[in-house]
Amino acid sequence: QQQVKQSPQSLIVQKGGISIINCAYENTAFDYFPWYQQFPGKGPALLIAIRPDVSEKKEGRFTISFNKSAKQFSLHIMDSQPGDSATYFCAASYTGTASKLTFGTGTRLQVTL
Amino acid sequence: GAVVSQHPSWVICKSGTSVKIECRSLDFQATTMFWYRQFPKQSLMLMATSNEGSKATYEQGVEKDKFLINHASLTLSTLTVTSAHPEDSSFYICSAPEAGYNEQFFGPGTRLTVL
Repeated sequence: QQQVKQSPQSLIVQKGGISIINCAYENTAFDYFPWYQQFPGKGPALLIAIRPDVSEKKEGRFTISFNKSAKQFSLHIMDSQPGDSATYFCAASYTGTASKLTFGTGTRLQVTL
Repeated sequence: GAVVSQHPSWVICKSGTSVKIECRSLDFQATTMFWYRQFPKQSLMLMATSNEGSKATYEQGVEKDKFLINHASLTLSTLTVTSAHPEDSSFYICSAPEAGYNEQFFGPGTRLTVL
């Protein structure tokens, strides 16, 4: 199975709060897990990515938590800001330049004042 | 990070005409590029993998004769939507991984509207 399941579909968070988006995958051969941020009418932009050899990766306000045994990974956005309002996609692939990304269904995040 | 451009950013055409969309890697070479389409409020759907020097690989259900892909050089791939119809209206996005890396860089997308 190549699916990557993503939840929630939409999320409303107050400014300063923590946004949490979850993904689950089925294919244990996947070994690269990126998160993308997409604003309306724009292409996706890579936020942060992780490999299975670490359980957590942090870059600024963005943290990926990875649970290999559960085949789950999540994105945490600390101190969420209105400018973070966008659609977030998790993805998974194998190592290799020509590896196709399998995308989650996306989460529309709205950060309110 | 590496930059991928697309041209045009938007295009409106009449039903039955063909439209060409260009995808360029501006500061790196890409032997492989990917083409996606995205409908409103939906995820990205991979259409095909563009390979420099060989034929494109299409995903199941994607019509090869309708969506022509040509990887003309190490920095350019084109997608031609032939005999476009209103149902082909969508947001088309390309991506390119820098050689030797997993990270894919996405273009800004092309909005196609077929009247």
